[in-house]
Amino acid sequence: GAVVSQHPSRVICKSGTSVKIECRSLDFQATTMFWYRQFPKQSLMLMATSNEGSKATYEQGVEKDKFLINHASLTLSTLTVTSAHPEDSSFYICSAGGETGFDEQYFGPGTRLTVT
Amino acid sequence: KQEVTQIPAALSVPEGENLVLNCSFTDSAIYNLQWFRQDPGKGLTSLLLIQSSQREQTSGRLNASLDKSSGRSTLYIAASQPGDSATYLCAVGQAGTALIFGKGTTLSVSS
Repeated sequence: GAVVSQHPSRVICKSGTSVKIECRSLDFQATTMFWYRQFPKQSLMLMATSNEGSKATYEQGVEKDKFLINHASLTLSTLTVTSAHPEDSSFYICSAGGETGFDEQYFGPGTRLTVT
Repeated sequence: KQEVTQIPAALSVPEGENLVLNCSFTDSAIYNLQWFRQDPGKGLTSLLLIQSSQREQTSGRLNASLDKSSGRSTLYIAASQPGDSATYLCAVGQAGTALIFGKGTTLSVSS
């Protein structure tokens, strides 16, 4: 199947700093990518839909000024957590594919963010 | 609004047992349904994808069924092994949208 990569896999940062997470589709193009967040022992919750060449669509309760999403190319979306706080510590996962509704969505391996 | 429920939340079985994980969804207008496996602290591994027009899919010891009209899917695991221990997530897909996940079933298979 198709491959989606994420970088970094794990990051620790200090409170108040910003962290950028990259999501890449390695062997296919994706006009749409999705960003999820998963807290311990919880399921994946959609944060936002990343659209190539246009603004991201955020889910209710997700601060767009705090979680900046850029989808500058058909193979790369980035999520920047600005002014991170300990409560932002979580597992962030991106996915791509599924644009026709019939296609499978492919998930990245996730990024573990710890804010100290 | 689509909601996905998985029952049971946790399951413990001895090695060798056959088991069934259940998933239900409230809106039958789905395009597909996917079952994933997630090991602790890790990402998702796709197990099976069932298109809305299909009734079931099989891969090795795994068999997933889909009854769209009743909003149900089951994941059947035959001859369970300790290596099957993980959290199993069910997710439904609708056109051009993100997958909507259930909370998962955490499976523990003892040797």
